[in-house]
Amino acid sequence: NAGVTQTPKFQVLKTGQSMTLQCAQDMNHEYMSWYRQDPGMGLRLIHYSVGAGITDQGEVPNGYNVSRSTTEDFPLRLLSAAPSQTSVYFCASSYTFRGYHDLPGTDTQYFGPGTRLTVL
Amino acid sequence: RKEVEQDPGPFNVPEGATVAFNCTYSNSASQSFFWYRQDCRKEPKLLMSVYSSGNEDGRFTAQLNRASQYISLLIRDSKLSDSATYLCVVNMASGTYKYIFGTGTRLKVLA
Repeated sequence: NAGVTQTPKFQVLKTGQSMTLQCAQDMNHEYMSWYRQDPGMGLRLIHYSVGAGITDQGEVPNGYNVSRSTTEDFPLRLLSAAPSQTSVYFCASSYTFRGYHDLPGTDTQYFGPGTRLTVL
Repeated sequence: RKEVEQDPGPFNVPEGATVAFNCTYSNSASQSFFWYRQDCRKEPKLLMSVYSSGNEDGRFTAQLNRASQYISLLIRDSKLSDSATYLCVVNMASGTYKYIFGTGTRLKVLA
């Protein structure tokens, strides 16, 4: 299994450009999520999905869109990049989310290697 | 009050020392608790899940105190390789399905 993969690893954008960060997992995980990590801020949840066709907002969703057309893929779209979106982006997945399905031990999140995005 | 709070540190400890971190959470309905380890510029990796009865994995012990709403991580016989940032993670259920991360506690183990 490749686990959670993210592309690209690095990206530089100009203000106003749009792009899509790719995330895929091959573990048949139901739950997928996107985080951004900024110095001193920890990881903040952008969007998450509890299954194909179901997405919801996290703590910092503005400026980002997601969709989940398949179990495997969960792309993150930046609509019009801003310097404030300069960050490291992590995608994560887990078999489920405890509380959605009560299956203890199945909600460990596995992370991709991250995408380092700079917006000029 | 933040949903998940950690002391940012850094905790500078000599090799062989015992060190403990705490993490407080605000949502009493939370059901899942984790400690992750993150090395510089790398992705977080699961260190331990935290169970109600407490659990141990080698030199690492995790405990949950629901009454006071905190979890703890104890590292015994610290190694240089334990130097990292330790992230506390709590799920927020009750109609939303979010994991909330603490900002992390930085540990430096000194030779």
